[in-house]
Amino acid sequence: DAKTTQPTSMDCAEGRAANLPCNHSTISGNEYVYWYRQIHSQGPQYIIHGLKNNETNEMASLIITEDRKSSTLILPHATLRDTAVYYCIVRVANGNQFYFGTGTSLTVIP
Amino acid sequence: GAVVSQHPSRVICKSGTSVKIECRSLDFQATTMFWYRQFPKQSLMLMATSNEGSKATYEQGVEKDKFLINHASLTLSTLTVTSAHPEDSSFYICSAIDRTRSYEQYFGPGTRLTVT
Repeated sequence: DAKTTQPTSMDCAEGRAANLPCNHSTISGNEYVYWYRQIHSQGPQYIIHGLKNNETNEMASLIITEDRKSSTLILPHATLRDTAVYYCIVRVANGNQFYFGTGTSLTVIP
Repeated sequence: GAVVSQHPSRVICKSGTSVKIECRSLDFQATTMFWYRQFPKQSLMLMATSNEGSKATYEQGVEKDKFLINHASLTLSTLTVTSAHPEDSSFYICSAIDRTRSYEQYFGPGTRLTVT
């Protein structure tokens, strides 16, 4: 079962930062947080992942709270092509399975 | 990044027939692959975990005799939907783990199955 909860949908103005929250209050100490996104009728695309520390790559930043019970994905300058469903996933430690939650449908508005 | 392909991308079959979907890791070896199913406007649902050279592990509620999984090599896993029915129509997605890259899962583009 999914260990994450996310808002169902969000809007963001083009060019502004998109901040997508995720709650994972039952996460275990050795479980990673992953973020993927899915554009309609395609396979999910990897964005970023982390364990304890904040992470940044060319696509996004991941902010994980100190107690690890929640995280935020930040897309610094949203574009129309960032419109997608964003999934926050806790990776099972001993089997590497991903159990997807409902995700957040992000719409970037011109 | 690593590439995972699926074949076919779309398939239409008649009720009662079987359909095989292939999942290949193109530039890495995948000791573990996963199969997911996604109905319209819903999230991905994990069906099974496939380890190379061993039997697949199915999630609760997934019929192993209906969804046959074979992971015969480090780059290929197949899902066969046997005796397909219209309710099996769905988007089937595979993923593969590259153990050399922090256990990142790479997803295929998906296969749209329509059973008439």
